Amino acid sequence: GAVVSQHPSRVICKSGTSVKIECRSLDFQATTMFWYRQFPKQSLMLMATSNEGSKATYEQGVEKDKFLINHASLTLSTLTVTSAHPEDSSFYICSVHKGGSGELFFGEGSRLTVL
Amino acid sequence: GEDVEQSLFLSVREGDSSVINCTYTDSSSTYLYWYKQEPGAGLQLLTYIFSNMDMKQDQRLTVLLNKKDKHLSLRIADTQTGDSAIYFCAEAQNPGGFKTIFGAGTRLFVKA
Repeated sequence: GAVVSQHPSRVICKSGTSVKIECRSLDFQATTMFWYRQFPKQSLMLMATSNEGSKATYEQGVEKDKFLINHASLTLSTLTVTSAHPEDSSFYICSVHKGGSGELFFGEGSRLTVL
Repeated sequence: GEDVEQSLFLSVREGDSSVINCTYTDSSSTYLYWYKQEPGAGLQLLTYIFSNMDMKQDQRLTVLLNKKDKHLSLRIADTQTGDSAIYFCAEAQNPGGFKTIFGAGTRLFVKA
């Protein structure tokens, strides 16, 4: 079964609104989760590392105020796209590392369409 | 900086073996992964190899790692039409928090 769950899988919103995407680790606790963005027919781009109980670490070029990350518990991280614009339309995927092993599991992704 | 490269496209006939190649630049990579992505879906972890290993086999999948040349390959035996997908090679470091760098993905097309 799924190890990582993302919700919603698809979301359509109007320009200027904010959208929250959840990433849950179902089988184990995770102090670290990762958020990626994938454009059509392209690879995954790491946006940020979500750290439980502390601030997220953002990759260069990713706007912190645009993409708010909250890792409030050991099983849940959220990504909020604030004041969304059409160029934010993309496929957002989270991943969770299983401690004690090299396994890195991904969620099913959330497709955001901003009109 | 770190970089992972893959060929973009591979076409094979059903029943043949597929070999997808990947090169990476970071010699401190700890883990190397192969993921499968079907259209509109997330990434499915197929297999991974620790950097001190040369080979790993899991049913139809064989991963070969040449650490000297920084070359990783994924061999799929008896390729089926259901194997058609995009395959991503990725590398991560630990310590380093498992920050993962992905290749561009290889689109595998299996002809019946």
